[in-house]
Amino acid sequence: EVQLLESGGGLVQPGGSLRLSCAASGFAFVNDGMSWVRQSPGKGLEWVAFISGRGDRTNYADSVKGRFTISKDNFKYTVDLQMSSLRADDTAVYYCAKTYDYVSGGYSDAWGQGTLVTVSS
Amino acid sequence: DIVMTQSPATLSVSPGETVTLSCRASQAIRADVAWYKQRPGQAPRLLVYAASSNVMGIPARFRGSGSGSDFTLTITSLQSDDFAVYFCQQYNRWPLTFGGGTKVEIK
Repeated sequence: EVQLLESGGGLVQPGGSLRLSCAASGFAFVNDGMSWVRQSPGKGLEWVAFISGRGDRTNYADSVKGRFTISKDNFKYTVDLQMSSLRADDTAVYYCAKTYDYVSGGYSDAWGQGTLVTVSS
Repeated sequence: DIVMTQSPATLSVSPGETVTLSCRASQAIRADVAWYKQRPGQAPRLLVYAASSNVMGIPARFRGSGSGSDFTLTITSLQSDDFAVYFCQQYNRWPLTFGGGTKVEIK
């Protein structure tokens, strides 16, 4: 059974940094891409970042490019999202998602339960 | 970026009825569309990929269709667990984008 467990969320001040982590199990982690997708309170879904199975390709939403960095550890079965220069509009539940990699894009067939990030002074 | 527009925003229906959810892409995206269901307080769940392929375990009551720029998700014989928000997503090109969602609520 695929399991994804996010951690690292919390309250952070504007301009601050936070690192989210997602622990994966139940599938061949090195073969699958991973994404972070966020959802602001009461809003829709926004894809944030993607990393390929081997970690050699990444893609970012324009809204986070240059501020967020996604990384993958195929030995520890973890995928992280380093977030810096956080703004109020980064406040959201952040989901880790296993993502089929079609090079030009992909869909997510397994999701974690999410971790809440609140950016506020 | 490819904009995904879902309609209507809300559908009020009774259990046992059939609903059709629409999703339109701002440009042609072949059949590179996925549909997700999200219940309150839960993570999204993948229902359909490649516009019309059901994920294993998703009943045939959920039927996706379309290609190019117009897509639909039809749900027949609505059950209590089907009342949720449904999102479409394109994966034809980066950045991945989602529609704003359609809420299917009990009438």
